Amino acid sequence: GENVEQHPSTLSVQEGDSAVIKCTYSDSASNYFPWYKQELGKGPQLIIDIRSNVGEKKDQRIAVTLNKTAKHFSLHITETQPEDSAVYFCAASIGVTGGGNKLTFGTGTQLKVEL
Amino acid sequence: DARVTQTPRHKVTEMGQEVTMRCQPILGHNTVFWYRQTMMQGLELLAYFRNRAPLDDSGMPKDRFSAEMPDATLATLKIQPSEPRDSAVYFCASGLTPGTGSETQYFGPGTRLLVL
Repeated sequence: GENVEQHPSTLSVQEGDSAVIKCTYSDSASNYFPWYKQELGKGPQLIIDIRSNVGEKKDQRIAVTLNKTAKHFSLHITETQPEDSAVYFCAASIGVTGGGNKLTFGTGTQLKVEL
Repeated sequence: DARVTQTPRHKVTEMGQEVTMRCQPILGHNTVFWYRQTMMQGLELLAYFRNRAPLDDSGMPKDRFSAEMPDATLATLKIQPSEPRDSAVYFCASGLTPGTGSETQYFGPGTRLLVL
């Protein structure tokens, strides 16, 4: 089955700096890659996603890049703010061709934005 | 504002007791997922349903866990008998069939279970 590795496990940045979280996946059939943000005591919330036919996607201060050849994808947050502090999860899914949209999650990155 | 709801939000029980967790998916969503989150294992998929039929429950311990969808607005996850190692946060998520324009899974707030 799919295996997703995520690094780093913790990340501390100064407010205004950029943060980058990286994930690798094992199954070349995976074609959907969402990123979720989880705040304390809440469920994960989708912040951005990318499909395998796209190399990069941007939404305001958040961007995701995908390298299918290397089987890795990254989350980039620019101009970080204290409210960006949370745990971020990457995930991969084989989608329709795999018979469903089962997500395999990475182990999470605890991002702390310091004032 | 459509969202997934879960009840109860918190549950403390004693080992051996039955636990039932409920989930109401977003209206119109035909796929429902159950996840378990622990510090050690992270987010694990336990089971998921499409159009109320179970598609995959390979992540679920069959001897004590069961998942059902009595109707399109209710999904249940039961543990009987519960054990201390079942202590975790259980999330329900809902979404649409891939290829319909959205693969996003929307998570509920979770049920925090503690088995003593």
